[in-house]
Amino acid sequence: DTAVSQTPKYLVTQMGNDKSIKCEQNLGHDTMYWYKQDSKKFLKIMFSYNNKELIINETVPNRFSPKSPDKAHLNLHINSLELGDSAVYFCASSHMRQTNEKLFFGSGTQLSVL
Amino acid sequence: AQKITQTQPGMFVQEKEAVTLDCTYDTSDQSYGLFWYKQPSSGEMIFLIYQGSYDEQNATEGRYSLNFQKARKSANLVISASQLGDSAMYFCAMREGRGGNNRKLIWGLGTSLAVNP
Repeated sequence: DTAVSQTPKYLVTQMGNDKSIKCEQNLGHDTMYWYKQDSKKFLKIMFSYNNKELIINETVPNRFSPKSPDKAHLNLHINSLELGDSAVYFCASSHMRQTNEKLFFGSGTQLSVL
Repeated sequence: AQKITQTQPGMFVQEKEAVTLDCTYDTSDQSYGLFWYKQPSSGEMIFLIYQGSYDEQNATEGRYSLNFQKARKSANLVISASQLGDSAMYFCAMREGRGGNNRKLIWGLGTSLAVNP
């Protein structure tokens, strides 16, 4: 059983299109995240939801909109895709209780905007 | 200023030898946590080891140990008896104790480790 699963694994699309990435976790965690990893491998947090409430919203273009229908799901919708959006997007989850909460990551979605 | 610094962009080690990956951090919090993650070429992020700021013992997980030197603000990862499968990117990260629900993991830029046969 995959703990944090995100789909699709690869996404190739044209500039200007709208696309979504889905994420689900079966760990019973209360917090989920979206991270972007650029070509230099730098990991940057984009959003975080705790019990369906948005708690972290970094400086991300409005074209990115997260949606959490329930604690186990956090989807990412991207409008009007641009070349600079090409990256690997990771979903992650954790229990937000203590400092030692560790993140469990999905396998990543490689987004390529042409 | 960088809160997490990994000064080694790339490292090489001979199979079966030990290797230390450096990580220094900057925080004024008394309570914080330090994490190491591994990212192999397949792309997934794998949790390796955790050290709490109040933990008196250095954390160990199998072949991984964390050399925690609080006064120096360093949290180096030691991999003993390197294996070919250890070739990967390694990321150090810190979560500070303050900030409530807005506490984020702060990530280093990573160290690429190559294990030579």
